[in-house]
Amino acid sequence: QVHLVQSGAEVKKPGASVKVSCKTSGYTFASYDIHWVRQAPGQRLEWMGWINIGNGKTKNSQNFQGRLTITRDTSASTAYMEVSSLRVEDTALYYCARRGVYGDYDYWGQGTLVTVSS
Amino acid sequence: DIQMTQSPSSLSASVGDRVTITCRASQGISNNLAWFRQKPGKAPRSLIYAASSLQSGVSSNFTGSGSGTDFTLIISSLQPEDFATYYCQQYDDYPCTFGQGTKLEIK
Repeated sequence: QVHLVQSGAEVKKPGASVKVSCKTSGYTFASYDIHWVRQAPGQRLEWMGWINIGNGKTKNSQNFQGRLTITRDTSASTAYMEVSSLRVEDTALYYCARRGVYGDYDYWGQGTLVTVSS
Repeated sequence: DIQMTQSPSSLSASVGDRVTITCRASQGISNNLAWFRQKPGKAPRSLIYAASSLQSGVSSNFTGSGSGTDFTLIISSLQPEDFATYYCQQYDDYPCTFGQGTKLEIK
């Protein structure tokens, strides 16, 4: 059984950073890319970026202008997403998702709520 | 970026009904389209990939079709667990983009 389990909810102040983890199990971690998607209240889902687990290469949405870092720890079968210089508008549910062999997101994490408030 | 437009935004239906949700891309995306379902407070669940292929374990009540710019998701006989929000997603080009969602409610 494939599982993606994310870390718990976070509350941060504007200007701080947040790091969310996505621990995977049930498959060969290095064989599938991990993508990150977020959903702000009342907004549609927004793609953030992805990491090639095998070689560690990443591609991020230009919307984050260098504030987003995606990493992985192959020994722990875990991917990470860090957003720096947080803004109130970064308040959202953040999801990790596995990119399946056909290009779609075949498994998702349960989501992590990040609240940015002064 | 490729814009994805779903319709309708919301829909009321009864158990046993047949419902149709459409998704239009602002440019051709071949068949690189997925559908998934999301219930409140739960992770999205993949239903359809490559526009018309059913994910493993998904009910055959779900049918996807289309190619290019116009796509359709049909639920042939609504079950109680189907009342949720449905999204389309294109993965033909980065950034991947999503429809705004269709909320399916019980009539």
